Amino acid sequence: DQQVKQNSPSLSVQEGRISILNCDYTNSMFDYFLWYKKYPAEGPTFLISISSIKDKNEDGRFTVFLNKSAKHLSLHIVPSQPGDSAVYFCAASSTSGTYKYIFGTGTRLKVLA
Amino acid sequence: EAGVAQSPRYKIIEKRQSVAFWCNPISGHATLYWYQQILGQGPKLLIQFQNNGVVDDSQLPKDRFSAERLKGVDSTLKIQPAKLEDSAVYLCASSLDPHSPLQGYTFGSGTRLTVV
Repeated sequence: DQQVKQNSPSLSVQEGRISILNCDYTNSMFDYFLWYKKYPAEGPTFLISISSIKDKNEDGRFTVFLNKSAKHLSLHIVPSQPGDSAVYFCAASSTSGTYKYIFGTGTRLKVLA
Repeated sequence: EAGVAQSPRYKIIEKRQSVAFWCNPISGHATLYWYQQILGQGPKLLIQFQNNGVVDDSQLPKDRFSAERLKGVDSTLKIQPAKLEDSAVYLCASSLDPHSPLQGYTFGSGTRLTVV
């Protein structure tokens, strides 16, 4: 049972435009969400986070939006740059016990110069 | 700050052989995680340590996988005997404070295991 889903395996965007990566989850107990970026042959790198008490968190070119009623979050990258080309994973955790993040399957973003 | 160190980077073994992976987390990070990432999938948590104690190993196939974290620092993950479906990247991660869920983990570069 895939509790965290990224239904788009890949996405191509022109440089300078907005990239929108989507993530859906099924467990209503999740209330912490992370986005990671992964380059080939490297480990994932933490990008941005959001808790369920907020619906938006912004860090430079990266903004994460959370819609709890729809169990949906999205990552917006504006403007997109070729260096953003990577695989993006969303991850979700509940507050029960220590935080154990469940990852989605990832979306490969390609930013075209 | 030095990152999470993992070795080896790559390993090829035959099925039924044994293999071990090593991880050195960021200094001072109390929590250490081992994740398995199969090609085309997201990372899946195998085991979580808090200092040298196991917090969660519910998804660790204990008939063949074992892990330890001696003295609450370095950790090793072992597979014995390996199966073809164990082919994956094994990622180690660490975090300073497990009760700060929005800080994220720091991952190592991983060990790519191929079982033939």
